Amino acid sequence: AQKVTQAQTEISVVEKEDVTLDCVYETRDTTYYLFWYKQPPSGELVFLIRRNSFDEQNEISGRYSWNFQKSTSSFNFTITASQVVDSAVYFCALGNRDDKIIFGKGTRLHILP
Amino acid sequence: KAGVTQTPRYLIKTRGQQVTLSCSPISGHRSVSWYQQTPGQGLQFLFEYFSETQRNKGNFPGRFSGRQFSNSRSEMNVSTLELGDSALYLCASSWVYNEQFFGPGTRLTVL
Repeated sequence: AQKVTQAQTEISVVEKEDVTLDCVYETRDTTYYLFWYKQPPSGELVFLIRRNSFDEQNEISGRYSWNFQKSTSSFNFTITASQVVDSAVYFCALGNRDDKIIFGKGTRLHILP
Repeated sequence: KAGVTQTPRYLIKTRGQQVTLSCSPISGHRSVSWYQQTPGQGLQFLFEYFSETQRNKGNFPGRFSGRQFSNSRSEMNVSTLELGDSALYLCASSWVYNEQFFGPGTRLTVL
């Protein structure tokens, strides 16, 4: 069975602090994909990143970075120098080759000015 | 390129009624997936269509159904609405495996 766990339900940090959102996944597939999505108050899910199971390279995109570790089945997301506009619900997700994606429960991030 | 569009954006129905939601994918995308989002259950996969065929299905009762047309547009239908069907229904389209782009959702309220 596939499962995604985002243990942090809600996080609050002060603007400019760094924050890491945790994601742990379970799957028996050898080929799988990991995602992060952002859901701002408007409700639309915004795609942030996709990683496939064969690519453990960490990725940095501006203030965002992702740490993929197969050994611990984790795909953590770090926001550096957080801004108020980063306030949103962030979802980690796991997919296989069939386009069926399982989402975690999400982490609600509050960036306080 | 225009994004995924969903209509209507908001809907209010009463128990026992049925509802049809529509999703237009990004041009060129052939896969359309539907999700239900509720505060209690989070985001749950309903079904996925590819080239007019249902390819994947989540664990929802038969009251939830969908279809896809030859132009890749998709509809989902919920019959005999229950209070618990109140949710945000999200549609996503994709071209390559799993790179899904989501629409703004349809917020359904069942009274």
